[in-house]
Amino acid sequence: GAVVSQHPSRVICKSGTSVKIECRSLDFQATTMFWYRQFPKKSLMLMATSNEGSKATYEQGVEKDKFLINHASLTLSTLTVTSAHPEDSSFYICSAPRVGSSYEQYFGPGTRLTVT
Amino acid sequence: SQQGEEDPQALSIQEGENATMNCSYKTSINNLQWYRQNSGRGLVHLILIRSNEREKHSGRLRVTLDTSKKSSSLLITASRAADTASYFCATDAGSSGDKLTFGTGTRLAVRP
Repeated sequence: GAVVSQHPSRVICKSGTSVKIECRSLDFQATTMFWYRQFPKKSLMLMATSNEGSKATYEQGVEKDKFLINHASLTLSTLTVTSAHPEDSSFYICSAPRVGSSYEQYFGPGTRLTVT
Repeated sequence: SQQGEEDPQALSIQEGENATMNCSYKTSINNLQWYRQNSGRGLVHLILIRSNEREKHSGRLRVTLDTSKKSSSLLITASRAADTASYFCATDAGSSGDKLTFGTGTRLAVRP
């Protein structure tokens, strides 16, 4: 069964609004989670590393004020796309490192964001 | 930026045939992993090979790693229609739980 969940799975919003995406680890704690963005038929691009209890680490070129990340607890990280624009439309995926087996990661099912 | 390049970008084979996908990377790594993604879904971990390993097997999967050439291959034997998916290699160069850098992916289509 799924060990990382994301909510919502799909969301459509209007330009200028903000959208929050949740990533939860189920039955395990994750001090670190990762947020990726994926365009159609393309690879995953790491956006940021979410750290429980501290600020997220953003990859080069990713606007931290645009993509707000909050790692509120050991099982929850949220990504908020602020003032969304059509070009923010994408597939957003989170992951958490597998407990006890280092390096492998569990991925959430992804969230399809469409900004109209 | 993407470290890994994969080829082919797309592969179409008949059920029962073998599928080989290749991945190249640019920097030193600790491990290389292969993931599978069904259309519009999350990724599923397939296999991990450490930098000091050269070959690894898991069921119908065979992975090789050549650190001198900075390349890896994934072989799926006796393919099934259910193997249709995108396959990505991913590398990490840091400590446990570190971020992964993904390749460009290979879209595999297995015809029944």
